[in-house]
Amino acid sequence: AQSVAQPEDQVNVAEGNPLTVKCTYSVSGNPYLFWYVQYPNRGLQFLLKYITGDNLVKGSYGFEAEFNKSQTSFHLKKPSALVSDSALYFCAVRDTNTGFQKLVFGTGTRLLVSP
Amino acid sequence: EPEVTQTPSHQVTQMGQEVILRCVPISNHLYFYWYRQILGQKVEFLVSFYNNEISEKSEIFDDQFSVERPDGSNFTLKIRSTKLEDSAMYFCASSEAGQGGNQPQHFGDGTRLSIL
Repeated sequence: AQSVAQPEDQVNVAEGNPLTVKCTYSVSGNPYLFWYVQYPNRGLQFLLKYITGDNLVKGSYGFEAEFNKSQTSFHLKKPSALVSDSALYFCAVRDTNTGFQKLVFGTGTRLLVSP
Repeated sequence: EPEVTQTPSHQVTQMGQEVILRCVPISNHLYFYWYRQILGQKVEFLVSFYNNEISEKSEIFDDQFSVERPDGSNFTLKIRSTKLEDSAMYFCASSEAGQGGNQPQHFGDGTRLSIL
């Protein structure tokens, strides 16, 4: 069965500094990988996805993520953090071997960007 | 930008009662989903729906739960005989028909269900 691990409950970074939110996954086939962000009292907002091709994918709001097949990782990055990036970030995976659409989510990482 | 809308935003129900959560997916989407998030826990898949039938369901989605697309726009989740442990945030999502599920799922803001 597929699974996602987000090893950090919280990441603290100063505004203007680069940020990384870590994600590792486990699937039986090839993964489709997604990052979502959740602001207070809101739903999950899609940021970016990796399906195939270039290992570095770019998404909304200046975020990018790097797919590493050998390390089964898909870390979210941003070169320069903003206070407004403070939110809860979820990594999710779909196992293409299963033939189904469901996403399996990690437990989430709270990003706190200080001024 | 089109959005998935969910109503109500908060539902309070007595244990044992039936509740219906409503969702309006994005209009050109063909796949529909329900997820739930118990407070402090991860987002969990409940069910996916395509072509007017359930395409996948999780172990959570037992006979207590049902889904329906009663018309061309709404997608509902019914929970019968609610239990205290059904208290959670319920998210509806929808996606386009991509190749093998490569399209992102777009989520609504959720319905917070509180069972008393």
